[in-house]
Amino acid sequence: AQSVTQPDIHITVSEGASLELRCNYSYGATPYLFWYVQSPGQGLQLLLKYFSGDTLVQGIKGFEAEFKRSQSSFNLRKPSVHWSDAAEYFCAVGVIVGGGADGLTFGKGTHLIIQP
Amino acid sequence: DGGITQSPKYLFRKEGQNVTLSCEQNLNHDAMYWYRQDPGQGLRLIYYSQIVNDFQKGDIAEGYSVSREKKESFPLTVTSAQKNPTAFYLCASSTRTGAYEQYFGPGTRLTVT
Repeated sequence: AQSVTQPDIHITVSEGASLELRCNYSYGATPYLFWYVQSPGQGLQLLLKYFSGDTLVQGIKGFEAEFKRSQSSFNLRKPSVHWSDAAEYFCAVGVIVGGGADGLTFGKGTHLIIQP
Repeated sequence: DGGITQSPKYLFRKEGQNVTLSCEQNLNHDAMYWYRQDPGQGLRLIYYSQIVNDFQKGDIAEGYSVSREKKESFPLTVTSAQKNPTAFYLCASSTRTGAYEQYFGPGTRLTVT
């Protein structure tokens, strides 16, 4: 079975500074990888996804992520954070079984705090 | 506007009662999912359905039941057998071809006392 680890429960970053959120996955084949963001009491919004091809993927709100097969990682980055980026971030892995999409396996999330 | 709706936003029940959470989508997606979210636990898969009249158990299906009679709807029933039902419940949907990314509804917070 697949699994996802987000090693950092909380991260504090100054506004305007760069950001990197870590994600490691465990799966025997190449997985489908996602980053989602969640504001308090809300649903999840997809930031970006990786399926194949270019290992550096661009997403919404200025985020990007890099898939590194050798490290089983899919870290999320942003060059300059804004106060509105404060939220919970989830990394997720998906697999395709029997021609259909099964559910995603999520990490436990990283809570991002932005300080002025 | 295309999207996923969940109702109600907040739900309160007494222990021992069954309760049904609604999830509707107008994205024309074949697949639908239910997740449970607890503080510090991320999201865990309860049930999912890839086509009408078919569904599969996820990682934490005990104490829950679902139905999929229409493509647009995937209601979740939290039964009295669920030992710790208080949680935030999220519904999602996706296509079964191409990208597979899941789109989420706004969630229902269930409190059982």
